[in-house]
Amino acid sequence: EIVLTQSPGTLSLSPGERATLSCRASQSVSSNYLAWYQQKPGQAPRLLIYGASSRATGIPDRFSGSGSGTDFTLTISRLEPEDFAVYYCQQYDNSRTFGQGTKVEIK
Amino acid sequence: EVQLVESGGGLVQPGGSLRLSCAASGFTFSSYWMNWVRQAPGKGLEWVANIKEDGSEKYYVDSVKGRFTISRDNAKNSLYLQMNSLRVEDTAVYYCARGGYTYAFWGQGTLVTVSS
Repeated sequence: EIVLTQSPGTLSLSPGERATLSCRASQSVSSNYLAWYQQKPGQAPRLLIYGASSRATGIPDRFSGSGSGTDFTLTISRLEPEDFAVYYCQQYDNSRTFGQGTKVEIK
Repeated sequence: EVQLVESGGGLVQPGGSLRLSCAASGFTFSSYWMNWVRQAPGKGLEWVANIKEDGSEKYYVDSVKGRFTISRDNAKNSLYLQMNSLRVEDTAVYYCARGGYTYAFWGQGTLVTVSS
């Protein structure tokens, strides 16, 4: 099983700031089969990024994904008020697993 | 518009059974892998099971193997999760989600509470 470890657990930032979220895999994720989701309280997750760096339909370009192998990053270039939420990475190379999440909160 | 609507959640005692359903609309159900993903209260997401378009392949997370069974009825555009021998740690919101690899469409979830 591929274990995904996200850091930090919580990120306290102000609107307009840049957010950098990390996802580290316990073994290499082939073909960059890595996705990112956003979840707000009481809502289902929303797909943001797939294939490590491709934005899903309708996702603003302030969201970007990068990385390969075991180290992946989600960057939000300038935080908007609606971006404060919990973010999860997910691998789909070997079965399916999610990271434990990073909460982006208002400072 | 793609819609996924889960039902069947509720309170059940440890060792009991429950069957969840997910009604799909707005797309050709028989053309997609389908999944169950759960989220314990205040916790992260956990993929539970998935099933191929025609039902010929099914996969499960280790913690539910032998207790949960995923199935589908393409004629009824419906996905199911039969949950037996339920444990306290199965308490979660259960989501159905469309897709073989990533999940662009999710239902609103149904809460399963396992407690005596």
